[in-house]
Amino acid sequence: GENVEQHPSTLSVQEGDSAVIKCTYSDSASNYFPWYKQELGKRPQLIIDIRSNVGEKKDQRIAVTLNKTAKHFSLHITETQPEDSAVYFCAASTFSGNQFYFGTGTSLTVIP
Amino acid sequence: NAGVTQTPKFQVLKTGQSMTLQCAQDMNHEYMSWYRQDPGMGLRLIHYSVGAGITDQGEVPNGYNVSRSTTEDFPLRLLSAAPSQTSVYFCASSYNQAGGAVQQYFGPGTRLTVT
Repeated sequence: GENVEQHPSTLSVQEGDSAVIKCTYSDSASNYFPWYKQELGKRPQLIIDIRSNVGEKKDQRIAVTLNKTAKHFSLHITETQPEDSAVYFCAASTFSGNQFYFGTGTSLTVIP
Repeated sequence: NAGVTQTPKFQVLKTGQSMTLQCAQDMNHEYMSWYRQDPGMGLRLIHYSVGAGITDQGEVPNGYNVSRSTTEDFPLRLLSAAPSQTSVYFCASSYNQAGGAVQQYFGPGTRLTVT
């Protein structure tokens, strides 16, 4: 089955700096890669996703890049704000979309 | 739309007891899944369903049963609770799109403690 690895497990940045979280996957059949943000005690919420036919996607301060050859994808958050503090999860799924495999999460702290 | 709902929010069980975690969605989604979330381990897939009457095992199915008699409901049964099943359980749903996978919508979670 698919194996998704995520790094780093914790990340602290100063407010206004950028944060980068990286994930790798093992199954070349995976073609959909969502990123979720989870605040303490809450459910995961989708913040951005990317498909394998796209190399990069951006939504305001958040961007995701995908390198299919190397089987890795990254989340980039620019101009970080304290409200960006949360746990972020990457995931991978194949075309069928009925199984998702998650990374182990990155706890991001933005220091005011 | 209520989206994905889960009950109960909190539950304490004694070892050996059984119980059912309820999950319902009102978005007419074909796909539903159950995950458990443990510290440092992300979300791990327990069971999933691609439609009414069809279920399959995920990464960590032992000790759990599911059924899908309707599109809306996907209950998770703990047959004989063990302390190792102490976790936060999330139900999720998504629709089937011809172009490939789409985002999952998560329920609010059930925090289960087994003593």
